[in-house]
Amino acid sequence: AQTVTQSQPEMSVQEAETVTLSCTYDTSESDYYLFWYKQPPSRQMILVIRQEAYKQQNATENRFSVNFQKAAKSFSLKISDSQLGDAAMYFCAYRAYSGGGADGLTFGKGTHLIIQP
Amino acid sequence: ETGVTQSPTHLIKTRGQQVTLRCSSQSGHNTVSWYQQALGQGPQFIFQYYREEENGRGNFPPRFSGLQFPNYSSELNVNALELDDSALYLCASSTDMLLNEQFFGPGTRLTVL
Repeated sequence: AQTVTQSQPEMSVQEAETVTLSCTYDTSESDYYLFWYKQPPSRQMILVIRQEAYKQQNATENRFSVNFQKAAKSFSLKISDSQLGDAAMYFCAYRAYSGGGADGLTFGKGTHLIIQP
Repeated sequence: ETGVTQSPTHLIKTRGQQVTLRCSSQSGHNTVSWYQQALGQGPQFIFQYYREEENGRGNFPPRFSGLQFPNYSSELNVNALELDDSALYLCASSTDMLLNEQFFGPGTRLTVL
């Protein structure tokens, strides 16, 4: 079974600085998707960025980018120019391509990101 | 706002009781998934419905069951509640079975006493 590990329970960064959140995963599949979700205190999970494993190019969404290392099974999230609104729990998630998505998402335990003004 | 709503927001039940949680998805979202998020943990996949049929299930016992309706609403039913069922329950909908982008609701916080 696949597992997702987030080794940083909490991270703190100064406003306008850059922070990197770590995620590693374990799978025997060759085709899969990786996601970063943000969960603010409102509890609503919001998709931040998505990476398809077959794409070598790292995904980027405005201030958010990933460093995807398939051989190392590593998928880190970099947030540039951190803003107060970025404060939230961040979850790394995995989904196998096979099975038509019927296995759902596998989430890590999350990283609590604190933004210092 | 993701357009996915859940009710109720909070719920308190007693061990052994039954509970029904509801989710309303966006029009056209024919796939809905349910997740259980215990305090301080990431969400865990309970099951998925596609066009009103369950087509995927996580490691949850049969007392967790669901329904999906043609009007893009769905239910999660839990029988014989246990203390460990206390959690945030999230539903997520998408336009296809591949779940390339799931839209999550705000969740229902269930407390079992």
